[in-house]
Amino acid sequence: EIVLAQSPATLSVSPGERATLSCRASQSVRNSLAWYQQKPGQAPRLLIYDAANRATGTPARFSGSGSGTDFTLTISSLEPEDFAIYYCQLRSNWPPMYTFGQGTKLEIK
Amino acid sequence: QVQLVQSGAELKKPGSSVKVSCRASGGTFTSYSISWVRQAPGQGLEWMGGIIPTVDSANYAQKFQGRVTITADESTSTAYMELNSLRSEDTALYYCARDTYGSYWFHYWGQGTLVTVSS
Repeated sequence: EIVLAQSPATLSVSPGERATLSCRASQSVRNSLAWYQQKPGQAPRLLIYDAANRATGTPARFSGSGSGTDFTLTISSLEPEDFAIYYCQLRSNWPPMYTFGQGTKLEIK
Repeated sequence: QVQLVQSGAELKKPGSSVKVSCRASGGTFTSYSISWVRQAPGQGLEWMGGIIPTVDSANYAQKFQGRVTITADESTSTAYMELNSLRSEDTALYYCARDTYGSYWFHYWGQGTLVTVSS
């Protein structure tokens, strides 16, 4: 079973600054990785899929990169609404199975 | 506009079962897979399993094998998740989520159903 490790667990950044979140897989997942944002009391929302593709409605300040085992979610200039918890997720090919990372809480510095 | 509407909150006793529904509207029900994801209070997301209605084939996370059953009713565009032998650790918010054409990620989510297991 492939495990995802997100770092850091908590990231404190000021509005307007850049945030960089990491996700590492225990073995290569090629580009089969997605990022979700979750705000308190809400369902998660897909931000990035296939490692680097923005989902519909995802602002351009969000970007995803990486392949193999190391992935990054970058928020170029933090807006107040970006402070939330972010999860990475992988998908194995067949049978289709999914695994989530433990999450990174992005908080206001 | 795709919408996933889940059934209401449940209070269950340890050892019992719960069945949560997820009704889909917008799009062709059978063409897309539906997964179930749970989130214990203050914890992260956990994928439980999923189903592709057109294939009527479900697969499950190893952790839940033998205790969860995911089914789909094409006639009502509804997916179900049944969890047996409930224990207090199963207290969580349960979400259904759906992929979309050309992408197997979870583009759409239900509002969540709170299941509380308590004696």
